Amino acid sequence: SQQGEEDPQALSIQEGENATMNCSYKTSINNLQWYRQNSGRGLVHLILIRSNEREKHSGRLRVTLDTSKKSSSLLITASRAADTASYFCATSGSARQLTFGSGTQLTVLP
Amino acid sequence: DTGVSQDPRHKITKRGQNVTFRCDPISEHNRLYWYRQTLGQGPEFLTYFQNEAQLEKSRLLSDRFSAERPKGSFSTLEIQRTEQGDSAMYLCASTIWTEGTEAFFGQGTRLTVV
Repeated sequence: SQQGEEDPQALSIQEGENATMNCSYKTSINNLQWYRQNSGRGLVHLILIRSNEREKHSGRLRVTLDTSKKSSSLLITASRAADTASYFCATSGSARQLTFGSGTQLTVLP
Repeated sequence: DTGVSQDPRHKITKRGQNVTFRCDPISEHNRLYWYRQTLGQGPEFLTYFQNEAQLEKSRLLSDRFSAERPKGSFSTLEIQRTEQGDSAMYLCASTIWTEGTEAFFGQGTRLTVV
């Protein structure tokens, strides 16, 4: 079963715009990670935020975490066509596995 | 290439046949995961190894599925008597397990059962 849900399921924006994706999860976590997957390929790690952190930046990525609401958001600024992919949040908690959400399909139009 | 390697990349098999997939993790990684992903869904956990020990198996992993990591290095995932519902992408990931480390994924093996 999947730990969480991403919202929206699909997002289409113009190049240069910002993209925001949300993730909700159900149980306590130690950290939350975001991954990107290009069509038919493996997943690539983007960023990790620990449960005691509220915000983290990496290049054009900004992640927030609200443990009281059990939610996280991923912001991609100044999007590019190459950002077109599926984005997944994954949580790590007492179980020693990463549990993934169902993903957001982002399409960036040139 | 020092990433996670999976073989084969694609496999088409007839229903009822057995298939085996291989995963070569990053060499210093002690933890290895198997996930299954169907179209439009996120990866679903199947099982993981800490070195050669299989520590957890999902209830998704029926008795037709077996995984091994005999020397704590590469791993194999075997599916016996394949069914059409087994058609999916099978992903392997490895990590050095300390809290808060990223997992590195292979490109996956796409299985089609006809």
